[in-house]
Amino acid sequence: AQSVTQPDARVTVSEGASLQLRCKYSYSATPYLFWYVQYPRQGLQLLLKYYSGDPVVQGVNSFEAEFSKSNSSFHLQKASVHWSDSAVYFCALIPSGTYQRFGTGTKLQVVP
Amino acid sequence: EAAVTQSPRSKVAVTGGKVTLSCHQTNNHDYMYWYRQDTGHGLRLIHYSYVADSTEKGDIPDGYKASRPSQENFSLILELASLSQTAVYFCASSGLGGNQDTQYFGPGTRLLVL
Repeated sequence: AQSVTQPDARVTVSEGASLQLRCKYSYSATPYLFWYVQYPRQGLQLLLKYYSGDPVVQGVNSFEAEFSKSNSSFHLQKASVHWSDSAVYFCALIPSGTYQRFGTGTKLQVVP
Repeated sequence: EAAVTQSPRSKVAVTGGKVTLSCHQTNNHDYMYWYRQDTGHGLRLIHYSYVADSTEKGDIPDGYKASRPSQENFSLILELASLSQTAVYFCASSGLGGNQDTQYFGPGTRLLVL
């Protein structure tokens, strides 16, 4: 099945610490991959996307993600988190010729 | 700035009643989508449309109808609302890249079916 898995439902990190949110995908070819963020009571907003080329993708607000074909992964990273980064983060996959499939989301809590 | 608005923002409905959720976009986008969000399931696609007067089924279309009367407007209709349809519903739009393009989301509609 063509899908994404976000294995961590909740992640808690200290402010100023580094962050990695995990995303694994299942697809035989190279898919289109996205990371979205959802703040409370809001819709999803795009952080970054990967179509091809450089496996490290830069996004908004200093987020970046690294595509790994060998590991079927697209992990989201940030060097130093801020309390305002607290939100739910979704990984999404678009298999060729179809529509986006979302992971179940990871709720990030940044603590002082 | 891309803009997608939804109405109502929240609604309480009775089981067996009809519910209509509305979505309006000012992005001049061809593609529009309806998702539902449930805890533990992420977002799941119900219906989408790539042109006015035409709709397509997504992953979970049962119990839902969609209507796209114009490029700007896309409605989701629950003819006979059920308890299991309690969820948050999101509308989104995307441009010429279609399903592979960035999607812009509305703020969501919280539906409670009693």
